[in-house]
Amino acid sequence: DGGITQSPKYLFRKEGQNVTLSCEQNLNHDAMYWYRQDPGQGLRLIYYSQIVNDFQKGDIAEGYSVSREKKESFPLTVTSAQKNPTAFYLCASSMGQGMGETQYFGPGTRLLVL
Amino acid sequence: AQSVAQPEDQVNVAEGNPLTVKCTYSVSGNPYLFWYVQYPNRGLQFLLKYITGDNLVKGSYGFEAEFNKSQTSFHLKKPSALVSDSALYFCAVRDPSGDSGNTGKLIFGQGTTLQVKP
Repeated sequence: DGGITQSPKYLFRKEGQNVTLSCEQNLNHDAMYWYRQDPGQGLRLIYYSQIVNDFQKGDIAEGYSVSREKKESFPLTVTSAQKNPTAFYLCASSMGQGMGETQYFGPGTRLLVL
Repeated sequence: AQSVAQPEDQVNVAEGNPLTVKCTYSVSGNPYLFWYVQYPNRGLQFLLKYITGDNLVKGSYGFEAEFNKSQTSFHLKKPSALVSDSALYFCAVRDPSGDSGNTGKLIFGQGTTLQVKP
């Protein structure tokens, strides 16, 4: 899991509630990513950020929002608009966005709906 | 569209035997290929990658993978499996000519569970 931390490990969301997942890295990486993992489906990209104060939607951004105010932090908010939020959420970072860059992953946050 | 296929949901192998976890890809450009491993309720750990050059890539924990352009495959191998290798394995690809060229996104296969029995 390297120098990427995610918190909390487990998160419970009530109907209509927004929740925020934390992702912090001390690797001095420019690029950061959020993926969603569902059983049997691999990982899908939610949002990515190439640099501070910039971020772009991935394949499944609806119902999610992010910010990138600091290089080391890339929090993900799961809004009430996300109707099926139960999943394992993984944050990743890489030095840059070059094709050969390796993405390193955090330990993940499991989000459950009450 | 770019895609990655891992044709086996589960691979079973006896400890000490060689293991292979299969991966095939479909991209329009030259692929950049990655293997990751995931233990239960943990994040993904990087094993190895192919960018260019030698088709046989060596990685962490004794794993290696062979890039075969004609068969569009990147199978993960290990000469002698350990019980501790039991985990979920993901193959992933980047295609410079596809949208991952802009986003840096990895396109993942659905994963293969490796079960190594003593």
